[in-house]
Amino acid sequence: NAGVTQTPKFRILKIGQSMTLQCTQDMNHNYMYWYRQDPGMGLKLIYYSVGAGITDKGEVPNGYNVSRSTTEDFPLRLELAAPSQTSVYFCASSPTRDRVREKLFFGSGTQLSVL
Amino acid sequence: AQKITQTQPGMFVQEKEAVTLDCTYDTSDQSYGLFWYKQPSSGEMIFLIYQGSYDEQNATEGRYSLNFQKARKSANLVISASQLGDSAMYFCAMRPQFGNEKLTFGTGTRLTIIP
Repeated sequence: NAGVTQTPKFRILKIGQSMTLQCTQDMNHNYMYWYRQDPGMGLKLIYYSVGAGITDKGEVPNGYNVSRSTTEDFPLRLELAAPSQTSVYFCASSPTRDRVREKLFFGSGTQLSVL
Repeated sequence: AQKITQTQPGMFVQEKEAVTLDCTYDTSDQSYGLFWYKQPSSGEMIFLIYQGSYDEQNATEGRYSLNFQKARKSANLVISASQLGDSAMYFCAMRPQFGNEKLTFGTGTRLTIIP
């Protein structure tokens, strides 16, 4: 069982470039999330989705866009990359049987550097 | 809004000793869930334990237990008989039952087990 799969694992961007971080889950989870983790810090929520076609902003959405056309996929788009977006990005998903109790299943992360 | 505070940026513990990682939280919600995640040097996020705000018993999962003191708004993680493999970052997180889907993380504690 693959769980949550993120690609790529590493990426270096130049300032002003754009890219899409891919996230796919095969657990039929409705809830999906994108977090970023800056060095020495906890995770901050960028965007989340409660189902296909529904997305909403988290704490730090500026500079990012998301879409959710299917239950499985939740790509994160970076437009006009900036050095402040250098971070580790985690995609996560959770089921919805009991919203407060359900743990998040995390992908392995994407290390992004913007130079 | 929820806030998680982890006041111990780093801890060193002798192998086989017990260790307590502190976590306090702030929320106006009456119903919420508290989580602990482990992040080893490889970077993945590993779920350890969950405590519901209305759970009567403190949660336990193998060598992990959660010392939940609701009135003090604390949810400390206790690891018994520490092992070298416990060396990692540990994050406390919480999610309200109603209102939004956001899992809020603390800044983490880096635990190092000394042989």
